[in-house]
Amino acid sequence: GQNIDQPTEMTATEGAIVQINCTYQTSGFNGLFWYQQHAGEAPTFLSYNVLDGLEEKGRFSSFLSRSKGYSYLLLKELQMKDSASYLCAVRGGGGSYIPTFGRGTSLIVHP
Amino acid sequence: DADVTQTPRNRITKTGKRIMLECSQTKGHDRMYWYRQDPGLGLQLIYYSFDVKDINKGEISDGYSVSRQAQAKFSLSLESAIPNQTALYFCATSEGPGANVLTFGAGSRLTVL
Repeated sequence: GQNIDQPTEMTATEGAIVQINCTYQTSGFNGLFWYQQHAGEAPTFLSYNVLDGLEEKGRFSSFLSRSKGYSYLLLKELQMKDSASYLCAVRGGGGSYIPTFGRGTSLIVHP
Repeated sequence: DADVTQTPRNRITKTGKRIMLECSQTKGHDRMYWYRQDPGLGLQLIYYSFDVKDINKGEISDGYSVSRQAQAKFSLSLESAIPNQTALYFCATSEGPGANVLTFGAGSRLTVL
C-alpha cells in the first residue's frame, strides 16, 4: 500500500514564498505529481518528478528526494489566486501507472 | 468545449434510487477513471478502464458499477444510492504510460437524501 502525508492547511502572505511538503511511503516508486485544485473545481496538473532534484516552472518549483520519500512544492511571489488545495500524488510500483492521492493541503493567501 | 465533460453537474436524489453519472472526452485518450472526493479525504479511485474492453476496480468500488460504452465514454452507476455516497465525483482521462498526467472533468456533485 501507499501512505502519503501532507499538511492539512497553510497560510501565507501575498508576495511571499511558501513551501508545501509531502512525505510518502510506497512499495516501489514511479513518479510524484502535484495538482492544484481551486474550491469546487477540477484538479489541474502542476508538476511531475521522477528523478531526484528540482523542477522549475515559472513561479512554481517541485523537489524530490526518493531516498527520503520526500517532496515539496515551492510557490514564489504568491498571488491571491494561488489560494487553493495542492494535491500530492504518488505512483508506486506495478504496471498500472495510476497515482494515489494525498489528502491535499489547503493554502490560504491573504493580503 | 471542455476536453472532459461530465453530466449532470449537480444531482439531488433519494436513498435507494439508481443514479448514472456520465463522462465523455475529446482528448482521444484510451484511459479513463472515476474518482470520488470527500472533504478532507482527497481523491479516491472508484474504477478505471484502460480501453473499451478493460474495466478494473479501484480502492472503493463497492456500491458502484461502470460501463465503457466507447473510447470516449465512461459512465458510473450507483444501483441503489445511499447517503454516504454523497460526494463530488470526478472523471479523468490520461494518455497512457510515461508521465500519464490526468485531465479531470469539472465534477458531478451528488447529494443522496
